[in-house]
Amino acid sequence: DQQVKQNSPSLSVQEGRISILNCDYTNSMFDYFLWYKKYPAEGPTFLISISSIKDKNEDGRFTVFLNKSAKHLSLHIVPSQPGDSAVYFCAASAGNQFYFGTGTSLTVIP
Amino acid sequence: DTAVSQTPKYLVTQMGNDKSIKCEQNLGHDTMYWYKQDSKKFLKIMFSYNNKELIINETVPNRFSPKSPDKAHLNLHINSLELGDSAVYFCASSPELRVGELFFGEGSRLTVL
Repeated sequence: DQQVKQNSPSLSVQEGRISILNCDYTNSMFDYFLWYKKYPAEGPTFLISISSIKDKNEDGRFTVFLNKSAKHLSLHIVPSQPGDSAVYFCAASAGNQFYFGTGTSLTVIP
Repeated sequence: DTAVSQTPKYLVTQMGNDKSIKCEQNLGHDTMYWYKQDSKKFLKIMFSYNNKELIINETVPNRFSPKSPDKAHLNLHINSLELGDSAVYFCASSPELRVGELFFGEGSRLTVL
C-alpha cells in the first residue's frame, strides 16, 4: 500500500521557468517530509526537507510547501536550470521509517 | 571519497544462486538501511540497523539476510535468487535513527536470469 504518491511520472519545463513537483500522502502521522534528487546511475541525494510544524521551507532556488489538511506537498524550483533535470523523489517519515514516492522525472529544456 | 559505497554496482546471476551486496559508510552514522527499487521505480525499505542492531525488518522473504559486522558496514546476502529479486538495491545511512536525511549509495543493480 503506497502511502506516498507522485502522480506525475514526468514533467518538462523551459529553462528559467518555474518547475512544480507534487506529492500526496495518506498517513496523517507523517511529521517530516523530504525531497531527493536522483541522477542516472547514482543514488538519491537529499535536497530539502520540511517539518510538519511548518508550511514552507526555502533554500535558494528550491522551496517546499506543505499543506497538511490536504496531505500534499510540493517542490518549487525557480528558476529552473538544465542541471536540474533529474528524477525527484518525495519522502515522508513517521517514527524511524521513510516512505518514498515513485519519483517524477524533470526535464528542463534549454 | 564516497560517503556510502556499495559493491558490486552491477550483478548478473542465475536463478537459484546465492549472492551478496556489500555496503560501507564513512560518515560515522549509527543507522544504516537497505532499500529496494523495483521495476515500477518504487523505493521501499527492507531493513534498518542501528549500531549493529536490527531495527526495521519489513515483509521481506527470509532468503534476504542482512549482516552488520560493525556500524560502518551493512551487507545484504540473498539466498536462492528468484526472477522477482531483480531490482536496484540502495544502501543508505543516517546520523540518527529518527528523522534526518538519508545518505544513499549509488545502488547495486541485480539482474536474475
